[in-house]
Amino acid sequence: GAGVSQSPSNKVTEKGKDVELRCDPISGHTALYWYRQSLGQGLEFLIYFQGNSAPDKSGLPSDRFSAERTGGSVSTLTIQRTQQEDSAVYLCASSLRTGVGQPQHFGDGTRLSIL
Amino acid sequence: SQQGEEDPQALSIQEGENATMNCSYKTSINNLQWYRQNSGRGLVHLILIRSNEREKHSGRLRVTLDTSKKSSSLLITASRAADTASYFCATDYNQGGKLIFGQGTELSVKP
Repeated sequence: GAGVSQSPSNKVTEKGKDVELRCDPISGHTALYWYRQSLGQGLEFLIYFQGNSAPDKSGLPSDRFSAERTGGSVSTLTIQRTQQEDSAVYLCASSLRTGVGQPQHFGDGTRLSIL
Repeated sequence: SQQGEEDPQALSIQEGENATMNCSYKTSINNLQWYRQNSGRGLVHLILIRSNEREKHSGRLRVTLDTSKKSSSLLITASRAADTASYFCATDYNQGGKLIFGQGTELSVKP
């Protein structure tokens, strides 16, 4: 497709389980971002893959969160030992180039619910 | 937190009226972006204004930037029911590409 694709669109899991969220960016886009959106915290930056440079992981809330981007394309965000406070919508975005001032294209997100 | 503030938090208007949303930010910026989010969907980029610009237009959208007041406003003219959405300002605060978002304004346009 032409846009950013995220899967699954919804995920319900039990506290303590691990989850993997997937993002397919727009083809050819160098930069890929993960954000989290929750009622209490609004939109929060998590991690930013900037081409061949080391990712900016400064927004990851704990070491239970990790992400990788394979082959400069698909990215997976993994949350280990999920907690109820991890419930949120996880949004992925991509941009054509890295650096400041780049419009970002968002997927529709994965709605994660931790029981 | 570097998150800016937006006001109003919610705005309800009739179709055909203009809608104005305001955004304040905390430190110097190179640019500021506005995004729209429809319920249950991702964000859609609307417009980017650079720090050396004071005003920018795109269709029915008009964005202003006042760097001395660290504030920006988004005006939607002749609003339509389809403009009902949440609107967010965002900036990267010169920290690479990651965006810091405001809390958003929820706009409701009634037919």
